Amino acid sequence: QQKVQQSPESLIVPEGGMASLNCTSSDRNVDYFWWYRQHSGKSPKMLMSIFSNGEKEEGRFTVHLNKASLHTSLHIRDSQPSDSALYLCAARGNYKYVFGAGTRLKVIA
Amino acid sequence: DAGVTQTPRHEVAEKGQTIILKCEPVSGHNDLFWYRQTKIQGLELLSYFRSKSLMEDGGAFKDRFKAEMLNSSFSTLKIQPTEPKDSAVYLCASSLQGGNQAPLFGEGTRLSVL
Repeated sequence: QQKVQQSPESLIVPEGGMASLNCTSSDRNVDYFWWYRQHSGKSPKMLMSIFSNGEKEEGRFTVHLNKASLHTSLHIRDSQPSDSALYLCAARGNYKYVFGAGTRLKVIA
Repeated sequence: DAGVTQTPRHEVAEKGQTIILKCEPVSGHNDLFWYRQTKIQGLELLSYFRSKSLMEDGGAFKDRFKAEMLNSSFSTLKIQPTEPKDSAVYLCASSLQGGNQAPLFGEGTRLSVL
């Protein structure tokens, strides 16, 4: 059964610091990855997507993908308290979307 | 743009009751998912429909959980009978089949079973 592993489980970074989150799929059929952000009491909202090897940057957020190792990472620079949330990684292989357990990020002022 | 609409937002049930949660996907989306989210288990897939056909029924959830999609714009999730361990947030999501579109989530229904 396809699994998506995320690390670390939780992360505390100072305001202005860099947060780095990791995600790996066990399914060699995976072709798309997404990162979602879920604030407390809210539903997950898609943050960034990546489908090709390499890097993609949107503002303070950068995602990397290594398709050979089925590993993606999300980096948040200049972290803000408003970035404190649960970050979920989702991978699609064939028709199945599988979510990881998430990384809980806390940014402290 | 209209998103995914879930009702009710909150539900309180007594153990043994039957409850029905409702979901309206984004117009034009043909994939619909029901998930359960708890702090311990995270997001668990309950059911997946493609063009109204049930593609996956979530295995372990088959006995008391039943999702239906009678038309392309409405789905229900019935839990019968409810148990206290069913207390969780139930999320519905929809997406366009194929391509690179990520599932879009509704705001969820928070269920408490006493």
